[in-house]
Amino acid sequence: GQNIDQPTEMTATEGAIVQINCTYQTSGFNGLFWYQQHAGEAPTFLSYNVLDGLEEKGRFSSFLSRSKGYSYLLLKELQMKDSASYLCAVVLRGGGNKLTFGTGTQLKVEL
Amino acid sequence: DTGVSQDPRHKITKRGQNVTFRCDPISEHNRLYWYRQTLGQGPEFLTYFQNEAQLEKSRLLSDRFSAERPKGSFSTLEIQRTEQGDSAMYLCASSFGTGDEQYFGPGTRLTVT
Repeated sequence: GQNIDQPTEMTATEGAIVQINCTYQTSGFNGLFWYQQHAGEAPTFLSYNVLDGLEEKGRFSSFLSRSKGYSYLLLKELQMKDSASYLCAVVLRGGGNKLTFGTGTQLKVEL
Repeated sequence: DTGVSQDPRHKITKRGQNVTFRCDPISEHNRLYWYRQTLGQGPEFLTYFQNEAQLEKSRLLSDRFSAERPKGSFSTLEIQRTEQGDSAMYLCASSFGTGDEQYFGPGTRLTVT
């Protein structure tokens, strides 16, 4: 089976940096997506990591270590609008690119 | 707006009734996925299509559930004899190919009373 773990909740201050971790145990790992989901809305794409290392995209960066089964999403210069659920999802080889999601991390940004 | 649309956005039905949801993906996307999401959980995969072919169905998809994509464009998801446990957000997503990001629609929220 597959196991994907994320913290349930995190709180951070506006302007700060926050790191949201995701660990996974899967067979046939191909890549890892991060999505953002505001309450009552659809998930929106943030990043996709296939190779080890850091991918930076504006205020958001994502890191992957395939050997450790570990990824993180780094959010810089936090804004109130970043309050949302952050979902990590793995893609398996031969799985038709279907996504297997973790439960999501609910991030609350405070003043 | 991601370009993926779903209809209806909300559906309230009584237990035992049948419901059908529609998804219109981004037009050039050949892959279409259905997921189900309950409160506080991540989306769970239900089924996916490549063009009109349904290539995989999750074990979550009991025989009361059926999905179609007759012309490789829009898709429908039907739930027969609904149960209270079917109450959830049903999300549709589309992508161009393997490894590409999936674009999600706004979802259909189903409430079974």
